[in-house]
This record gives sequence, structure tokens and C-alpha cells, in this order.
Amino acid sequence: DAKTTQPPSMDCAEGRAANLPCNHSTISGNEYVYWYRQIHSQGPQYIIHGLKNNETNEMASLIITEDRKSSTLILPHATLRDTAVYYCIVRGNYGGATNKLIFGTGTLLAVQP
Amino acid sequence: DSGVTQTPKHLITATGQRVTLRCSPRSGDLSVYWYQQSLDQGLQFLIQYYNGEERAKGNILERFSAQQFPDLHSELNLSSLELGDSALYFCASSVEVWGRGGNTIYFGEGSWLTVV
Repeated sequence: DAKTTQPPSMDCAEGRAANLPCNHSTISGNEYVYWYRQIHSQGPQYIIHGLKNNETNEMASLIITEDRKSSTLILPHATLRDTAVYYCIVRGNYGGATNKLIFGTGTLLAVQP
Repeated sequence: DSGVTQTPKHLITATGQRVTLRCSPRSGDLSVYWYQQSLDQGLQFLIQYYNGEERAKGNILERFSAQQFPDLHSELNLSSLELGDSALYFCASSVEVWGRGGNTIYFGEGSWLTVV
């Protein structure tokens, strides 16, 4: 699986959009970009994933660059409850049941009141 | 609620002992994953089972073993416990369809193991 690079920490004001960047320059054509978050000692929570196109769901939007070498997770209106470690993970699609998630160190997003 | 159920939520045991952590995956999910998260390490992948068979192995110690039963629940067995085994252990599950990617892995809330 391709390696990802994320800033170790970011701050965001409550009510503003939080934009979390991720670099994955070695991503291959069949690999997906996944985002998870972990609120202190809870189980990692799935947020969103995408292959090529931008994606949006009730939690967030995922913007993937055309060359797929980087992506941005957008939380449109951050709240204090969004304070968490956010993980960007590139996950292979190898046509079999071995597509585990490998977590890096993530970005600690601190939403400030 | 992810639909993945782990028991027990908390466990305190002594060094040298053996414990079993249990995981019930989401209904219909054939894959089960186990992860370990200790204070000084991130989320470490331990092992994956798919429909009863071991599919991938990560940084799992020889003192640890796992299995997935015909009803798809899984157990992680930790033996000869050491202080350093104190950690959060997460189970996760997913539907895996051969030849199709983009499936989502859902995590349980974890089992806190404290070895004293």
C-alpha cells in the first residue's frame, strides 16, 4: 500500500471549515483513499473514501487531485466534537480479501471554541 | 454504533496469564481484523480472517493467536501476558467481495487490557 504524509497537527475555529491535507504521491491506479478518525481512545470511525472522483457524504467531502497524488478532507462546519486524530490511508484493491488498513500517525485536529 | 461488538470492554489481569477477547462482526461481514493500540505505538494491524481462514498477518506476537468460527465471530487469544501487552485491542469487520474493492472496514469500540 502506498505511504501517506499528513501534518501532525492542525487547529480550526469552531463553525469554520476544516481542511485536512494528505499526500500520497506513490498511489497506484487501483488504490483507494480512505479517511478515518479516532476520538480519544474510541474505535476508529469511518468518514469517507474515494478512488478518483470527489466524494461527499453527510460527514465530509473528499477532494482528490487529478493526478491522485494528494487529497483533502473537508469538514464543512467543524464543531468541538470533531476534535480527533484524522487518518488518511491508501488501501489497495487487490481483488481479494486481504485489503487491510495500515494506519500512520495521522493529523490531530483541534477545534477551538 | 458501527455494528461490531467486542467483549469484554475492560479487563485487568496479571502477568503470565491468558485472556480471550471476543468479536462479533457486523451482520454479513466475512472479514475480521484485529488491531492493537498501545500508548507509545499507533494502531498496529495484527491479523485478518476471512470466512474462517487466516488471510493476512501483521505484527502479531507468537504468544498471540486468533481464530474465526463458523458463525463468523472471532477470538483473539493472548497468553503469557507481559506488562507491555497492556493496550486497546480493536476488532474490525468488512464485507469483502472478490474482485471488487472500495469496501468499508468498521471498527468496534475496543477491549482495554491492563496487565499488572
